[in-house]
Amino acid sequence: EVQLVQSGAEVKKAGESLKISCKGSGFTFRSHWIGWVRQRPGKGLEWMGTIYPGDSDVRYNPTFQGQVTISADKSITTAYLQWSSLKASDTATYYCARQWTKEFDSWGQGTLVTVSS
Amino acid sequence: EIVMTQSPATLSVSPGERATLSCRASQSISSDLAWYQQKPGQAPRLLIYEASTRATGIPARFSGSGSGTEFTLTISSLQSEDFAIYYCQQYNKWPLLSFGGGTKVESK
Repeated sequence: EVQLVQSGAEVKKAGESLKISCKGSGFTFRSHWIGWVRQRPGKGLEWMGTIYPGDSDVRYNPTFQGQVTISADKSITTAYLQWSSLKASDTATYYCARQWTKEFDSWGQGTLVTVSS
Repeated sequence: EIVMTQSPATLSVSPGERATLSCRASQSISSDLAWYQQKPGQAPRLLIYEASTRATGIPARFSGSGSGTEFTLTISSLQSEDFAIYYCQQYNKWPLLSFGGGTKVESK
C-alpha cells in the first residue's frame, strides 16, 4: 500500500526556522516526483514545488521560489519542506503528495504549521 | 501561468440529484486535467485524471469530460458522502502546476 506519512503539527514564532517531513513507503520512492501543496485556513490548494528524489531535481512554483527549500533523502525515503525564517502568513496545512504521471495520486495526511507573530 | 477558474463557487444539491461542476483554463491544456475531492479535515483525494479517467476505486457516478479550456465533473446521483469541496488541477505546463479555486458541493 502506498503511504505518505507526514511529521506532526508545529507551533512556531515568526522568524524561527522549520523543517517538516514526508516519509514514503509501499512504492519506489526514488522514482516518483513528490510535490508539496499549501492550504491556508479556509482557502484552496496551492502547488509549492516538486522534487524527484532519485536525483534531487527540484521544480518550484515561482511564487514560492526563495521562500522555502524542498529536499529529499532517498536513502530513508523522506522528502522535506523547510523555512529559514517563518512569517505569520506561512500559517497553513502543508501536504505532500506523490505524482503518478503528472497528477497527485496519493497524499500525506497534512502537517499544520501555526506561526504566531 | 495557467489560471484555472471553477464555477460555481458553491453548488446546492439534494441527495440523488445530478451535480455538474465546471473548470475553465486560461489557455488550452489539452486533456491534462485532474479532479480532486476534499472533505473537512482530510487530505484531497484524486478522482479523475486525463480529464476523464477515473482513479482507482472511484465510483462510476463520478465522470469527467472536456478538453482544451472547458472541463466538467459530473456526479450523476449525489450521495451523502459526496458533499465536499472539489478542485481541478492542470498539469499541461509541467513542471508548473496550478489548481482551481474549488467548488463546494453542499446539501440543499
